[in-house]
Amino acid sequence: AQKVTQAQTEISVVEKEDVTLDCVYETRDTTYYLFWYKQPPSGELVFLIRRNSFDEQNEISGRYSWNFQKSTSSFNFTITASQVVDSAVYFCALSEADSWGKLQFGAGTQVVVTP
Amino acid sequence: NAGVMQNPRHLVRRRGQEARLRCSPMKGHSHVYWYRQLPEEGLKFMVYLQKENIIDESGMPKERFSAEFPKEGPSILRIQQVVRGDSAAYFCASSPLASGIFDEQFFGPGTRLTVL
Repeated sequence: AQKVTQAQTEISVVEKEDVTLDCVYETRDTTYYLFWYKQPPSGELVFLIRRNSFDEQNEISGRYSWNFQKSTSSFNFTITASQVVDSAVYFCALSEADSWGKLQFGAGTQVVVTP
Repeated sequence: NAGVMQNPRHLVRRRGQEARLRCSPMKGHSHVYWYRQLPEEGLKFMVYLQKENIIDESGMPKERFSAEFPKEGPSILRIQQVVRGDSAAYFCASSPLASGIFDEQFFGPGTRLTVL
């Protein structure tokens, strides 16, 4: 069963628009971590953020912000004032307490930013 | 401190040949994870290894695939008798400590395997 759902397959925006990527996860563990990774066209995986299940405080890092809500099992990611360089596939991932740290990835959301 | 290294970056094999993918973890890291990314899909966990031990291979196909992480040298993912469906990007990640404390995994650049 899919434990991380990224319902949006592709989002297209014009530069300077904001874009929000949805991530819904499923777990019975009380201790877990959530991650976001970026995969640009070059193919490598770039770590963006890690959040543990006990810290629901939202976070902002430059143009990136994350909204973690345990009540809805969601960990959404917003890019403010998007730029062409933000064009990439973004993956949300879950690591559960009894899983030896292995990451379970969502299917990814392709973000296309046009000038 | 060099990052996670994977080689080759690109590998082309004909059906029936063997593919060997190598992963050198970051210095001081003794935990290695392998993930596979099929075209247009997300990454799927394959196997988790510590030095000389396979800890979790629940994501490995039952046949033709094997992995090792010897005391000395890189971790190896071996695919015997490759088929076209094995064409994918294979990523290795390493972490420094026991996975139970959720250390960040550092990913390598991946090996793109193409089976003709």
